Amino acid sequence: DAKTTQPNSMESNEEEPVHLPCNHSTISGTDYIHWYRQLPSQGPEYVIHGLTSNVNNRMASLAIAEDRKSSTLILHRATLRDAAVYYCILRDVMHNQGGKLIFGQGTELSVKP
Amino acid sequence: DGGITQSPKYLFRKEGQNVTLSCEQNLNHDAMYWYRQDPGQGLRLIYYSQIVNDFQKGDIAEGYSVSREKKESFPLTVTSAQKNPTAFYLCASSAGRADTGELFFGEGSRLTVL
Repeated sequence: DAKTTQPNSMESNEEEPVHLPCNHSTISGTDYIHWYRQLPSQGPEYVIHGLTSNVNNRMASLAIAEDRKSSTLILHRATLRDAAVYYCILRDVMHNQGGKLIFGQGTELSVKP
Repeated sequence: DGGITQSPKYLFRKEGQNVTLSCEQNLNHDAMYWYRQDPGQGLRLIYYSQIVNDFQKGDIAEGYSVSREKKESFPLTVTSAQKNPTAFYLCASSAGRADTGELFFGEGSRLTVL
């Protein structure tokens, strides 16, 4: 399974944009890039996913490098409720039986008022 | 509301006892998953099932067992063979093997072995 690398922690100020990076240099052509976040003592929550093109939804934007070896999750205006652990995950439904998600350590985002 | 329900939320067990964690979904999803999370760590896959009456081992299946007799249900049994069962257990589901979209997670079950 292809691996992802994320910083252990990041800090942000409330109402400022946050850019969470993820490196995935061994990504294959059939890997989708998924982002989830997890608040303490809760199950992970889906944020966004994409394959090649940049993606936007109500929660965030996903910017994918042209060579797909890295991606960035963008929270446009951080709020205190965005403080969580953010996981960048590669999901291969073609060759990875069951389309399972392989979680890494994630980035712990703290948001200061 | 549609979603995934895990029970119990908290569970205490004596050493040597088996315990079964419940996971029910009403999302009409084909695929279901069980993950384990230890403090400060990411999630690790225990078992997954792509369809009723079929399941596969994940990365840390030893000491666990599952069944998938109904589409809606995917219970996990933590057996006495699991050496360090104290952990946070998470169940998830997705539309199916070919689906590239999101996994939906339950709120988790926290198991403590006394």
